[in-house]
Amino acid sequence: KNQVEQSPQSLIILEGKNCTLQCNYTVSPFSNLRWYKQDTGRGPVSLTIMTFSENTKSNGRYTATLDADTKQSSLHITASQLSDSASYICVVSERSNYQLIWGAGTKLIIKP
Amino acid sequence: KAGVTQTPRYLIKTRGQQVTLSCSPISGHRSVSWYQQTPGQGLQFLFEYFSETQRNKGNFPGRFSGRQFSNSRSEMNVSTLELGDSALYLCASSLLRESGTDTQYFGPGTRLTVL
Repeated sequence: KNQVEQSPQSLIILEGKNCTLQCNYTVSPFSNLRWYKQDTGRGPVSLTIMTFSENTKSNGRYTATLDADTKQSSLHITASQLSDSASYICVVSERSNYQLIWGAGTKLIIKP
Repeated sequence: KAGVTQTPRYLIKTRGQQVTLSCSPISGHRSVSWYQQTPGQGLQFLFEYFSETQRNKGNFPGRFSGRQFSNSRSEMNVSTLELGDSALYLCASSLLRESGTDTQYFGPGTRLTVL
């Protein structure tokens, strides 16, 4: 069964610290993996999209990695800011049915 | 370039009524997808329309339906509303199919409350 699992479910860190969010998936055949940031009550915003051949992609202070062999991805946030408080969602695209498989998200809280 | 717009932004209905939500994608985008998000829950996929045809459908009852017009604007309809339909309904658009590598852009959502 195609699944995307994210950990941790929630995370609290101090402003200025770094953190890493994890995503494991069983989706096959794989097309691409993306990370979204969703502020409370708003629509998700795309951070990165990675295909099979890409293993690192950055967007400012956000760096995503992909290991297609172990079917794992991570999102690293550097020098966190209060505005980084949000849910971060990992989504994997399944190639044969053109479907997106959504993870449940990690809720990140940045404390001053 | 204007973003994805959704109307109305807020809606209050009573059980048994029906509702129609509207989504205008970014100009030139051909794919429109709809999602339901309940408090504390992840996004649940409703359906995707591409070039006026429904391409994928999630696991929702037949009370949930949608359509896409020739200008790519989309509507979704929920009939016989239930309390559990209270949620944030999000629309997303992309240039081609949502599962491709094109960036998917989300609208601000319609907050539906069923009393």
